[in-house]
Amino acid sequence: DAGVIQSPRHEVTEMGQEVTLRCKPISGHDYLFWYRQTMMRGLELLIYFNNNVPIDDSGMPEDRFSAKMPNASFSTLKIQPSEPRDSAVYFCASSLSDGGGSYEQYFGPGTRLTVT
Amino acid sequence: QKEVEQDPGPLSVPEGAIVSLNCTYSNSAFQYFMWYRQYSRKGPELLMYTYSSGNKEDGRFTAQVDKSSKYISLFIRDSQPSDSATYLCAMRGAGEYGNKLVFGAGTILRVKS
Repeated sequence: DAGVIQSPRHEVTEMGQEVTLRCKPISGHDYLFWYRQTMMRGLELLIYFNNNVPIDDSGMPEDRFSAKMPNASFSTLKIQPSEPRDSAVYFCASSLSDGGGSYEQYFGPGTRLTVT
Repeated sequence: QKEVEQDPGPLSVPEGAIVSLNCTYSNSAFQYFMWYRQYSRKGPELLMYTYSSGNKEDGRFTAQVDKSSKYISLFIRDSQPSDSATYLCAMRGAGEYGNKLVFGAGTILRVKS
């Protein structure tokens, strides 16, 4: 399996522009997570889905952020309008609820977003 | 106060040293405890996983959980330069707390050859 795939790997945009980050989870996984990582705040959970349904979006910082999962193999995180404080590395992760307990999350390589 | 506290380091040790990494937490509902390793410009990868209290050993790595003190540790024996990375503790509850992981800030480890 190719693992979790994220695109783009790097994004540089100007303040006010719309940014769309994309994620393809591991085939068969039923959970998908979006995280943001910065030096100041560490790794923060933004939102997660189970079977394509958003379960907890309490980590989404504000209305400028939105996430969708139209099917089991694709999710997007959109920022509109973007601001310099959104600059961070955004990770997508997926896991399988196999009842084993660990629910290991497999992370993608991340998208490094810079908003100027 | 954060739910999970972890000293960000950096921690610098010579090759061959024993490394101790630690996290404390405040939520008594946490039952599953994990250590993730993150190399520079990569995503985190699961290193070790422990359920409830006790020890777990995997090669040079040992994870310990003390639920009474709300304290978890990761020990690395005979540390190698290839162990240089950021180590993040993570934990979650069960039932209604579901699959949501709470991460520590991560400790940067540098092993010098």
